[in-house]
Amino acid sequence: DTGVSQNPRHKITKRGQNVTFRCDPISEHNRLYWYRQTLGQGPEFLTYFQNEAQLEKSRLLSDRFSAERPKGSFSTLEIQRTEQGDSAMYLCASSLAVSNNEQFFGPGTRLTVL
Amino acid sequence: DAKTTQPNSMESNEEEPVHLPCNHSTISGTDYIHWYRQLPSQGPEYVIHGLTSNVNNRMASLAIAEDRKSSTLILHRATLRDAAVYYCILRDIESSGNTPLVFGKGTRLSVIA
Repeated sequence: DTGVSQNPRHKITKRGQNVTFRCDPISEHNRLYWYRQTLGQGPEFLTYFQNEAQLEKSRLLSDRFSAERPKGSFSTLEIQRTEQGDSAMYLCASSLAVSNNEQFFGPGTRLTVL
Repeated sequence: DAKTTQPNSMESNEEEPVHLPCNHSTISGTDYIHWYRQLPSQGPEYVIHGLTSNVNNRMASLAIAEDRKSSTLILHRATLRDAAVYYCILRDIESSGNTPLVFGKGTRLSVIA
């Protein structure tokens, strides 16, 4: 257990539905990252926050994706109008904003879109 | 971040040392070499990082070539719990506190009992 938790661990949904995932980082960590991982690939960056500010978004993050970290603590990632191509493992990581910071990853949320 | 090249897979016998190579021929002077690993059904976890000198910690050792164009992660005695995908990642020191990790496909290590 790294101290980063994600809920739910698994989500099955039908195409076109909206889904929301939650990440609770290590409490003193001001940086929070979202990654997506498909089978056989390494994780790909989606977006990250410093405190409540969203500092960077990947080109992978289409308009259907939105992430928030309202109080600089937990974060949510919402996918609207899900597509089968959204099926993946969604990983959250947190860290301190210092050089060579170690990122601590949660166990991920596995999304299956039918 | 500069690109790294790793073998797709490697196999080791339990309790034997394992040397996982990584090539990074375009590394810059300010790039640190980081290693993460991902156990089955888990998120990645940090293993070790270094700049020029060899590094040791409780999990592994990192041997860095003198020209820094390659490095090797060394597991001194592989156990079944070391079976994982190992990722070699370069991070620029000036931006490493601000940027996400850039993962390749990594090396899938299998450990045989």
